[in-house]
Formats: sequence, C-alpha cells, structure tokens
Amino acid sequence: DIQMTQSPSSLSASVGDRVTITCRASQSIRSYVNWYQHQPGKAPKLLIYAASILQSGVPSRFNGSGFGTDFTLTISSLQAEDSAIYFCQQSNYAPFFTFGPGTKVDIK
Amino acid sequence: QVQLVQSGAEVKKPGASVKISCKASGYTFISYYMYWVRQAPGQGLEWLGRINPRDGATSNAQNFQGRLTMTRDTSTSTVYMELSRLGSEDTAVYYCARYSSSSGALDYWGQGSLVTVSS
Repeated sequence: DIQMTQSPSSLSASVGDRVTITCRASQSIRSYVNWYQHQPGKAPKLLIYAASILQSGVPSRFNGSGFGTDFTLTISSLQAEDSAIYFCQQSNYAPFFTFGPGTKVDIK
Repeated sequence: QVQLVQSGAEVKKPGASVKISCKASGYTFISYYMYWVRQAPGQGLEWLGRINPRDGATSNAQNFQGRLTMTRDTSTSTVYMELSRLGSEDTAVYYCARYSSSSGALDYWGQGSLVTVSS
C-alpha cells in the first residue's frame, strides 16, 4: 500500500508569514496529489488538485508544487483564517485513496 | 450550490451496525461518484469505499470487505453507508465526499457524522 507522510505535524506562524508544508509518497504518484484544508466543525475543503492547480474560489496565496514523491503546499502570506489542519491525498491509485496524517497550522 | 448533508451523530454498542445518509443537492446526482472517508480520534483520514450513483456499483477498501455496504436512492439523491459488526475502533467521524473526475479530487464534502461505539 502506498503511504503518505507529512511534515511538520504542526507549526505556529504569524500573520503574513510564508508557510510551507511537505508531503511525501512512498512511491511515485506522478502529479496525482490533492491538498485539503480542514477547520474544526467544518467540512474539509479542497484547495489544490493535481499537485499545483488551484481549486476555484481558493485564494491565490495557496500554492502547490511537486512531482513524483515529494510535494509542497505553500501559503505565501498566512492569514488568521488559515488556522486549520492541512492534509494531502494521493489519487494516483483511485479509487484507493490514501491521505497524509495532516499538518496543524496555528496562528501566533 | 453543491451541498452534501449527512445524518446526525450515532451511539452504537459493539457488534451493532450503523447506517449513515448523505443527501446531495445542487448538481446532477448520478454524474459523480460518492466516496466515504472517516477520521478516528487522533488519526488521519481513511478511505472506506465509493459508490457510483448511476448504477450503484461499489468499491471497498480491503479493510472493510464484508462489513461495509453502500447504497443509493436516486429518487432522493441520497447515498447510504452501512457498517456492520462495529468495534471500538470504528469510533470516528464519517464523511461523504463527491469525487470530481475532472480534478481527480474530492471537491465537496459533507459535514461529517460522528459514530461512537461504546458498551
């Protein structure tokens, strides 16, 4: 089974900071990775699909990159409303999706 | 707008079954696969299975083979997920999520249904 890992598991940053979250797959998944934001009490929200394509309506401060096994989600200028858990997901082996464990982002 | 509205929280005893509903609106129900995903306390997300609302065909994760049943009712645009022989490890928030083939992602999610398994 393919495994997805993320780092860091949590981080704390100030408004305006640049934040980077990494996701690694145990084998190549080409560009089939998606990123989601999950805030407490809310439904998860799709941010980025196919590694780098911004979902409609998502602010442009969110950016995704990577190919193969290593992927990155960057928030260029952290906002207070970005406090959430972010997780990656591989869709290379659909329907057998695998999710990363998540990265908790707190605002200082 | 697309909405997925799930049924409420459930408390079940070990060995029982639970059935969760997910009512879709705002799009053509039969045109998108529906996935089921869960998150146990302190754990990451886990894929359970998916259903094609057009014909009812399903695919399950191997871990849930024989225990997971997914059905749909096209007249009400609702999908159902039933998990049987519950154990404490099944305590989790269960989500339905719409799969978009154009993005290869789960583009809309339900609000989640908490299932607590306790004696």
